Amino acid sequence: GAVVSQHPSRVICKSGTSVKIECRSLDFQATTMFWYRQFPKQSLMLMATSNEGSKATYEQGVEKDKFLINHASLTLSTLTVTSAHPEDSSFYICSARVVGNTGELFFGEGSRLTVL
Amino acid sequence: GQNIDQPTEMTATEGAIVQINCTYQTSGFNGLFWYQQHAGEAPTFLSYNVLDGLEEKGRFSSFLSRSKGYSYLLLKELQMKDSASYLCAFDNQAGTALIFGKGTTLSVSS
Repeated sequence: GAVVSQHPSRVICKSGTSVKIECRSLDFQATTMFWYRQFPKQSLMLMATSNEGSKATYEQGVEKDKFLINHASLTLSTLTVTSAHPEDSSFYICSARVVGNTGELFFGEGSRLTVL
Repeated sequence: GQNIDQPTEMTATEGAIVQINCTYQTSGFNGLFWYQQHAGEAPTFLSYNVLDGLEEKGRFSSFLSRSKGYSYLLLKELQMKDSASYLCAFDNQAGTALIFGKGTTLSVSS
């Protein structure tokens, strides 16, 4: 299947700093990527839809100024958590779909963010 | 509105069969997905149903009834490694993000 790579897999940062997470589609082009967040023992919650060459679409309740999304190319989307706080500690997962197939969503490996 | 519901936890023994149910409500529908997720890892794709009926893939099968807004995942010959969270998700429009249920944590014991 298609491959989505996410980096870093784990990051620990101090409160108030910013963290960037990269999501790459390795063997296909993705005009759209999706960013999810998952708190312990909870399901995947869609944060935003990243659109290549245009602004991301954020879900209700997600602060666009805090979670900056950039989709500058057909293979790369980045999520930057700005001024991170302990409550932002979570598992962030990106995903993308290959146009024309069953619609299966391919996930990156996920990034575990811990804010101290 | 959109809603998706599945049991929180289930337990079973090795070699047994378990059925995980999922009900959903949505104004648009473009397919029902099942994913498996082990703790600390990203979800992996198990199955996709867009038409009514049963899709079989090895030890795993998935069923869909669009008129009832109902799906189930059937796991046969359970193994310890099947202990994981099973996520039901639907696609309400082609090309959009999937909407996930809260997941069912399955514990398989010997």
